[in-house]
Amino acid sequence: AQKITQTQPGMFVQEKEAVTLDCTYDTSDPSYGLFWYKQPSSGEMIFLIYQGSYDQQNATEGRYSLNFQKARKSANLVISASQLGDSAMYFCAMRGRTGNQFYFGTGTSLTVIP
Amino acid sequence: DTGVSQDPRHKITKRGQNVTFRCDPISEHNRLYWYRQTLGQGPEFLTYFQNEAQLEKSRLLSDRFSAERPKGSFSTLEIQRTEQGDSAMYLCASSPGTPREQYFGPGTRLTVT
Repeated sequence: AQKITQTQPGMFVQEKEAVTLDCTYDTSDPSYGLFWYKQPSSGEMIFLIYQGSYDQQNATEGRYSLNFQKARKSANLVISASQLGDSAMYFCAMRGRTGNQFYFGTGTSLTVIP
Repeated sequence: DTGVSQDPRHKITKRGQNVTFRCDPISEHNRLYWYRQTLGQGPEFLTYFQNEAQLEKSRLLSDRFSAERPKGSFSTLEIQRTEQGDSAMYLCASSPGTPREQYFGPGTRLTVT
């Protein structure tokens, strides 16, 4: 069974500091993809970063980086230099081998404190 | 802007009524997904289309739910005999042939009274 687990319901971070949002996954597929999405209070889901299971290097996109530890089945999101606009819900998601289904975690609410 | 669009954005209906939502994906994307998101939860997969073929359906999709994607362009999600438990945000997403990231629409918020 495919499953995504996000154990941090809420996180706080000081502006300009870095923060790590945890994500663990479970899959028996040898090939899969891992994603992070941001959902502000306005409701739209915004794609942040992608990591393929065979990618040798950790993905980075601007201030976002994905700490991929395959043996531990974890895909933590690191946001550097937090900004007030980063306050939102963050969802970790996984795509199976076929790409026919995506599985989302329950999310982490991040609040950036000025 | 040529992103994913959904219509309507909000729908209030009485229990027992039928509702239909529309999703227009990004034009060159052949993969289209429907999700349901309730308050405080992540999106739950409902169904997946590749072009006009519905290739995957979640067991969450009861027989009151039906989805179509005629001609592989826009898609509709219909809920028959709505129940209060159907109140949720219904999200549509599309992606290109290689299933990397999905691009989400703004969602349709359904309230069943």
